Amino acid sequence: EAGVAQSPRYKIIEKRQSVAFWCNPISGHATLYWYQQILGQGPKLLIQFQNNGVVDDSQLPKDRFSAERLKGVDSTLKIQPAKLEDSAVYLCASSLDLKTSGVNNEQFFGPGTRLTVL
Amino acid sequence: SQQGEEDPQALSIQEGENATMNCSYKTSINNLQWYRQNSGRGLVHLILIRSNEREKHSGRLRVTLDTSKKSSSLLITASRAADTASYFCATAVYNNNDMRFGAGTRLTVKP
Repeated sequence: EAGVAQSPRYKIIEKRQSVAFWCNPISGHATLYWYQQILGQGPKLLIQFQNNGVVDDSQLPKDRFSAERLKGVDSTLKIQPAKLEDSAVYLCASSLDLKTSGVNNEQFFGPGTRLTVL
Repeated sequence: SQQGEEDPQALSIQEGENATMNCSYKTSINNLQWYRQNSGRGLVHLILIRSNEREKHSGRLRVTLDTSKKSSSLLITASRAADTASYFCATAVYNNNDMRFGAGTRLTVKP
């Protein structure tokens, strides 16, 4: 079974530039998540999609971050413009629909994109 | 904001010894999950324990949950060098797939 795919794996940009990350979840997973993991910390949820709708984006810095999942499958996360403090690993995860999986909401993570902002 | 707090932040043991990591959380939960993260890689799900369960086993892993104390522990028995990784607890609230992760415990198993 193919896992969650993310690209690119690494990205180095200068501050004030723009960057976009791509995620392809596990086939059939309705729920998709984007996390930000700063070095030495645990993942912090940025946004959660259920199919193509946003469930939770309360921790997404909306002045510079945006995300979409137009067809309910792939998703992109964009940062525009980037700041130094955005340097982190951006993780994408997917899971089955909570309504069909019940309490078993194990999330499957991709390898992440390591972003360095200079 | 993060929900879980792991303790200790770092743990170093010899191969063959047992490793115990603790997690405390603040609000009522649906379930609690433990994940492992090897250096530079994504997270791997280890075990899920529901709020009505007290103990769960999976291979060399044993997880306990005390909802009255809002705490959980992860025990890895007979540790191996390959167990070297960061371990995170994550809590899920009711009717929500949203999980909140702690800062993790960095485990080093020396051969």
